[in-house]
Amino acid sequence: KNQVEQSPQSLIILEGKNCTLQCNYTVSPFSNLRWYKQDTGRGPVSLTIMTFSENTKSNGRYTATLDADTKQSSLHITASQLSDSASYICVVSGALWGNAGKSTFGDGTTLTVKP
Amino acid sequence: EAGVAQSPRYKIIEKRQSVAFWCNPISGHATLYWYQQILGQGPKLLIQFQNNGVVDDSQLPKDRFSAERLKGVDSTLKIQPAKLEDSAVYLCASRTPGRGETQYFGPGTRLLVL
Repeated sequence: KNQVEQSPQSLIILEGKNCTLQCNYTVSPFSNLRWYKQDTGRGPVSLTIMTFSENTKSNGRYTATLDADTKQSSLHITASQLSDSASYICVVSGALWGNAGKSTFGDGTTLTVKP
Repeated sequence: EAGVAQSPRYKIIEKRQSVAFWCNPISGHATLYWYQQILGQGPKLLIQFQNNGVVDDSQLPKDRFSAERLKGVDSTLKIQPAKLEDSAVYLCASRTPGRGETQYFGPGTRLLVL
């Protein structure tokens, strides 16, 4: 069964600090991995998308890394801001020929940035 | 471009009642998804449409849930009768070929079943 495990479940940091969120997956064959940010009461918004051939992708203060060999990804947030408080969801899509392009969602990491 | 629109934003009903949600995807997006997101969990796919055809409804509880996308644009998701465990946020998302796998989500409908 395809799984996506995220850690930690929740995290509290002080404004201005950096943090790293983890995502481990078992989806195989693998097509791409996406990180979404979900603010409270809103739908998820895409931050980054990486295919199996990419090992890093940045979007402003967000940097995602991917190790397809170990099936691990991380999302690094630099110089956190209060507006970074949200849930961060890792989504892994299977290759079209293996999993019909199905996406598996993690349960997210809830980040709270305190002043 | 305008985003994915959903209505209503909030709904409170009693168990055994019926409820319907509406979604208007981004113009030109052929693929439309309905997800159920229970508090503290990631979204769970209920059904995926490609134009007006169903691609995947393997996780849709068909005894009580139904969805349609008659003209390949707007979609409705219905629950009849509702159970307490249906309390969740129902998210609609759309995607267009050529934009990779990025799905664009609506704000969701928050359902509370009492």
